Amino acid sequence: AQTVTQSQPEMSVQEAETVTLSCTYDTSESDYYLFWYKQPPSRQMILVIRQEAYKQQNATENRFSVNFQKAAKSFSLKISDSQLGDAAMYFCAYNEGGSEKLVFGKGTKLTVNP
Amino acid sequence: DTAVSQTPKYLVTQMGNDKSIKCEQNLGHDTMYWYKQDSKKFLKIMFSYNNKELIINETVPNRFSPKSPDKAHLNLHINSLELGDSAVYFCASSQAAGGVWYGYTFGSGTRLTVV
Repeated sequence: AQTVTQSQPEMSVQEAETVTLSCTYDTSESDYYLFWYKQPPSRQMILVIRQEAYKQQNATENRFSVNFQKAAKSFSLKISDSQLGDAAMYFCAYNEGGSEKLVFGKGTKLTVNP
Repeated sequence: DTAVSQTPKYLVTQMGNDKSIKCEQNLGHDTMYWYKQDSKKFLKIMFSYNNKELIINETVPNRFSPKSPDKAHLNLHINSLELGDSAVYFCASSQAAGGVWYGYTFGSGTRLTVV
């Protein structure tokens, strides 16, 4: 079974600085998708960024970018110019191509200090 | 607004009761899901339906029964509620288009508390 590991239960960052959240996954497949979701205290699950495994270029969305290392099975999220509103639980998730099931990591709680 | 909507947002009930959570999506997606988020925030899939057909049924007690009257609705009925059922339940939907999959759109969750 595919597994997703987030090794940092909690992280903190100063406002305006950069933070990187780690994620590794285990799969024998070559075709898959990876995601980062954000869950603020409001409980809503919000898609932050999405990466298709066959694309070598790292995905970016404004201040959010990923470092996708396919051989190492690593998918880290970098948040630049951190803002107070970035404080949330961040979940890494894996989807095997052809399946519509997402497997989630256990999450990293990000605190942003003013 | 296009969205996945769940009702109720909060549900407090006594052990042994039966309750239902409703979910509706107006995104035109073919696949809908139920996930459970436990007290440690871990998200685990329970069920998925594709166009009213059950696709995924993870190891979930028989007390949990999903029902999909049409592809826009997926409800979750829970019989004989137990303390361990207390959690946040998320509904989600997704769609593959042209062989590409874009991930889930989530509802806002239902916090179930069993007392």
